Amino acid sequence: GAGVSQSPSNKVTEKGKDVELRCDPISGHTALYWYRQSLGQGLEFLIYFQGNSAPDKSGLPSDRFSAERTGGSVSTLTIQRTQQEDSAVYLCASSLGLGSSYEQYFGPGTRLTVT
Amino acid sequence: KNEVEQSPQNLTAQEGEFITINCSYSVGISALHWLQQHPGGGIVSLFMLSSGKKKHGRLIATINIQEKHSSLHITASHPRDSAVYICAVKNSGAGSYQLTFGKGTKLSVIP
Repeated sequence: GAGVSQSPSNKVTEKGKDVELRCDPISGHTALYWYRQSLGQGLEFLIYFQGNSAPDKSGLPSDRFSAERTGGSVSTLTIQRTQQEDSAVYLCASSLGLGSSYEQYFGPGTRLTVT
Repeated sequence: KNEVEQSPQNLTAQEGEFITINCSYSVGISALHWLQQHPGGGIVSLFMLSSGKKKHGRLIATINIQEKHSSLHITASHPRDSAVYICAVKNSGAGSYQLTFGKGTKLSVIP
């Protein structure tokens, strides 16, 4: 079946502009996660959703970052007034549920470049 | 916060060699993941384990909960195994659903 998809695959934007990154999870997966991988850095957690609710926003690096999920499916990560340090690969993952027994399936990522 | 350390950072092996990548963490966990990331590619989950040992083809993952340590082994390595291998842990405790990642081990298998 279809895996996790993300769009766009690549995004180049000017500093100060807003961007929206989209994630389509695997159908039926109630949990959805956003991660970021900066050049030369490891992966870092940003936010997760259970259904449409985001109980843990502790990983969002600043108030310029926000995310929403509608209909328990598609999620959008929005970065306002982008800065060069926002350049990274943004990865989305989904799982059937929360908890340690559920495996996460990763999307291909969106490579964001802020010029 | 859980500190996840991987070793080695980089590894070059000859085709056919047995490979071991190590991961240690500082705080108790509910699960540990081994992930594979090819250059320019997405991330694939290889294993998710909370105890003991799992085997899939030429890959074996073990975890020692008491010692807070996991290993990923690749038998009869092949150039197509060249990738970055990432260890990630899910903390134990209520409300801990995020993963904390190691910095990855870059493996190059030479023909």
